[in-house]
Amino acid sequence: QVQLQESGPGLVKPSETLSLTCTVSGYSISSGYYWGWIRQPPGKGLEWIGSIYHSGSTYYNPSLKSRVTISVDTSKNQFSLKLSSVTAADTAVYYCARDGEQLGEFDYWGQGTLVTVSS
Amino acid sequence: QSVLTQPPSASGTPGQRVTISCSGSSSNIGSNYVYWYQQLPGTAPKLLIYRNNQRPSGVPDRFSGSKSGTSASLAISGLRSEDEADYYCAAWDDSLQVVFGGGTKLTVL
Repeated sequence: QVQLQESGPGLVKPSETLSLTCTVSGYSISSGYYWGWIRQPPGKGLEWIGSIYHSGSTYYNPSLKSRVTISVDTSKNQFSLKLSSVTAADTAVYYCARDGEQLGEFDYWGQGTLVTVSS
Repeated sequence: QSVLTQPPSASGTPGQRVTISCSGSSSNIGSNYVYWYQQLPGTAPKLLIYRNNQRPSGVPDRFSGSKSGTSASLAISGLRSEDEADYYCAAWDDSLQVVFGGGTKLTVL
């Protein structure tokens, strides 16, 4: 059973960098697939942030690309998200997910973690 | 504003059949697979339909997906109270990004 768990600070100050980690169990990231981050502002819809392959190849949302870095650590079976220069608009529930055999095919999700941007 | 267009709301009574539409363009739905996600209140989204019309193991056959040209639809037959949720369509776009619809809130009356 593939399981994903997000971790990281729940509160980030404006202009600082949001950092989250997704720990995967039940499947080795090295075995394949893309791994993605999706966010959902309170009361709003889903927004794809980006996805990374186990080799490190990435795709990013063009609207966030200048501020986003997604990296993978296969030795820890984790992948991470960094979003710089955050504002209140970045307040959201952040989900990590396995991006299955086709990009956009998120077949396993973490429970999500709320990150609030506030001073 | 979302790249894929969905109606903000839909409703039906128990037992009815409801459909939710998702409109895109030639660069996303028109040339790539469509996915549907169900998000129950307070939970993470769940993959409901993949590759236009395939159901993951465990998803009831009351749920079905279809695609025609640059539009797609999710149909739910034999509507049940537990189907009350938000539904999102998604697709890969040839501009190298995943795009989502704005979501449809389904109410079971």
